[in-house]
Amino acid sequence: QKEVEQNSGPLSVPEGAIASLNCTYSDRVSQSFFWYRQYSGKSPELIMSIYSNGDKEDGRFTAQLNKASQYVSLLIRDSQPSDSATYLCAVNGDSGGYQKVTFGTGTKLQVIP
Amino acid sequence: SAVISQKPSRDICQRGTSLTIQCQVDSQVTMMFWYRQQPGQSLTLIATANQGSEATYESGFVIDKFPISRPNLTFSTLTVSNMSPEDSSIYLCSVEVLDSPLWSSYNEQFFGPGTRLTVL
Repeated sequence: QKEVEQNSGPLSVPEGAIASLNCTYSDRVSQSFFWYRQYSGKSPELIMSIYSNGDKEDGRFTAQLNKASQYVSLLIRDSQPSDSATYLCAVNGDSGGYQKVTFGTGTKLQVIP
Repeated sequence: SAVISQKPSRDICQRGTSLTIQCQVDSQVTMMFWYRQQPGQSLTLIATANQGSEATYESGFVIDKFPISRPNLTFSTLTVSNMSPEDSSIYLCSVEVLDSPLWSSYNEQFFGPGTRLTVL
């Protein structure tokens, strides 16, 4: 059973601070990693994809991947109240000969004005 | 990305009935997926629907309960059959957009708006 683990939170940060969201995964051969944002009552929205070790930046978001440690994180700089949502980590790996994405349970982020 | 629509957006159904959920994409896609998200839970993959072949179901999900059709590259349906209150959930379709045809694991999934189902 391939697993993706996230702290459920809630993670509370003040407005303007850096929010750090973490995710670990069990399948060592996983190839690609995604972060989705899900507002309450809405469907998940893809915000970051990362495939190689290191950092990938997109605006206020930075995804970090360490395959040796089986760890992926998402940093949100200058957090805004509009960033308050549940963030889902997703990992794509081989599942019996075909690709399958496994989702974590999500971390709820609260940005306090 | 892709623009994905689902119908209905929500429904309230009686125990023992069936509901068919439609998923329409604005471009041709190879892979479509159906997920279930129960309240406060993460996403659980029900099945993968490829055009021209039988859907592939995940452990715990069977075709008799969740029949899927994929008649073309822009459309799919999921039917929830013989419903019980335990089937109350949000049902989401997603599509895989090909960024790199040579290596499918790099491809990103995008989700439709979901169908909120309540079974009484």
